[in-house]
Amino acid sequence: NAGVTQTPKFQVLKTGQSMTLQCAQDMNHEYMSWYRQDPGMGLRLIHYSVGAGITDQGEVPNGYNVSRSTTEDFPLRLLSAAPSQTSVYFCASSYSVLGLAGAYEQYFGPGTRLTVT
Amino acid sequence: GENVEQHPSTLSVQEGDSAVIKCTYSDSASNYFPWYKQELGKRPQLIIDIRSNVGEKKDQRIAVTLNKTAKHFSLHITETQPEDSAVYFCAGDSGANSKLTFGKGITLSVRP
Repeated sequence: NAGVTQTPKFQVLKTGQSMTLQCAQDMNHEYMSWYRQDPGMGLRLIHYSVGAGITDQGEVPNGYNVSRSTTEDFPLRLLSAAPSQTSVYFCASSYSVLGLAGAYEQYFGPGTRLTVT
Repeated sequence: GENVEQHPSTLSVQEGDSAVIKCTYSDSASNYFPWYKQELGKRPQLIIDIRSNVGEKKDQRIAVTLNKTAKHFSLHITETQPEDSAVYFCAGDSGANSKLTFGKGITLSVRP
């Protein structure tokens, strides 16, 4: 199994550009999430999904959109990039049971380092 | 929502000594408390977790203790080794979908 994969690994954008960060998992996990990691700020939840067709906002959702059309894929879209979105982005997936979606080990992807100039 | 705090933000220990990292949480309904280790340039990986019906859990050199009354949980690493040097994140779950809220992380340095 490849686990959780993310593309690209690195990306540089200009202010105002849009792009999509890709995330895929092959573990048949229902729960997927996106985090951003900034120095001294830990991991902050952007959006998450408890299953195909279901998404919800996390702690810092502004400026980002997500969709979940399949169990395997959970892309994160930056609508109009801003320097404040310079960060490392991690996608994660998790097993889930009866709605306790987040309460199991989260498997993280390798991350995407995004710089917005 | 949940608020998870870690103290201190950095910790330096001598190789072979023990390290203790403490986290506090705010949501009394939280049930799941994992610890993640992140080496430089790598992804976070789970090292141990504990649920609210258990007070302590051990796995070789690492252990986690939970005090629900005081709303804090701690990571204990014994016989530290240089490869234990990393950033450690604690987290707690909350909300209808058990979202995880992470602390800001602690940088542990083990001096050889």
